[in-house]
Amino acid sequence: ILNVEQSPQSLHVQEGDSTNFTCSFPSSNFYALHWYRWETAKSPEALFVMTLNGDEKKKGRISATLNTKEGYSYLYIKGSQPEDSATYLCAFRWSGANNLFFGTGTRLTVIP
Amino acid sequence: NAGVTQTPKFQVLKTGQSMTLQCAQDMNHEYMSWYRQDPGMGLRLIHYSVGAGITDQGEVPNGYNVSRSTTEDFPLRLLSAAPSQTSVYFCASSRTGGAGELFFGEGSRLTVL
Repeated sequence: ILNVEQSPQSLHVQEGDSTNFTCSFPSSNFYALHWYRWETAKSPEALFVMTLNGDEKKKGRISATLNTKEGYSYLYIKGSQPEDSATYLCAFRWSGANNLFFGTGTRLTVIP
Repeated sequence: NAGVTQTPKFQVLKTGQSMTLQCAQDMNHEYMSWYRQDPGMGLRLIHYSVGAGITDQGEVPNGYNVSRSTTEDFPLRLLSAAPSQTSVYFCASSRTGGAGELFFGEGSRLTVL
């Protein structure tokens, strides 16, 4: 079982604020890092799948970076909106397995 | 496009009863998996399959069986339910095992009394 850690556990921000969270994972035998957004009463939905060190991906106001050598990824949200309120999950796959190991998530609440 | 369909959405069982959670996908994905979600814990993998006829154990396989007779279907069986199996279960599929994004079903909330 691989250790995937996310911080902070929860976060409250005001509408319009920018914010970021961290996902830490083992730096050896990296294969892929995923970010998912999970709204209450729904299922997780993929935001990004990142495979290369230095990768930066962007979808609207949300972006992510990847550092495989030091074992971390950042997720950024610019100008947070109430509809961004959700739990953000990261998941790691190492090269020796077919599976994803999930962190416990960062729960974001955007206050109007 | 239906995506990943799980049934039932809710189920209450008594200890010792058996049941099957159904999962079907219509995206022709080779990889399918079952996760459980418990408070304070990340999604934990129960079993997975990389193609029809092939299954393997995840992190928490005890008490669960799976089979993959077709590409579309991946049922999860609880042979003798225990209170520790009270959880929310998610089925997920992807084109490939870990590089491709997972598509999740809507979840099945199981309570074992």
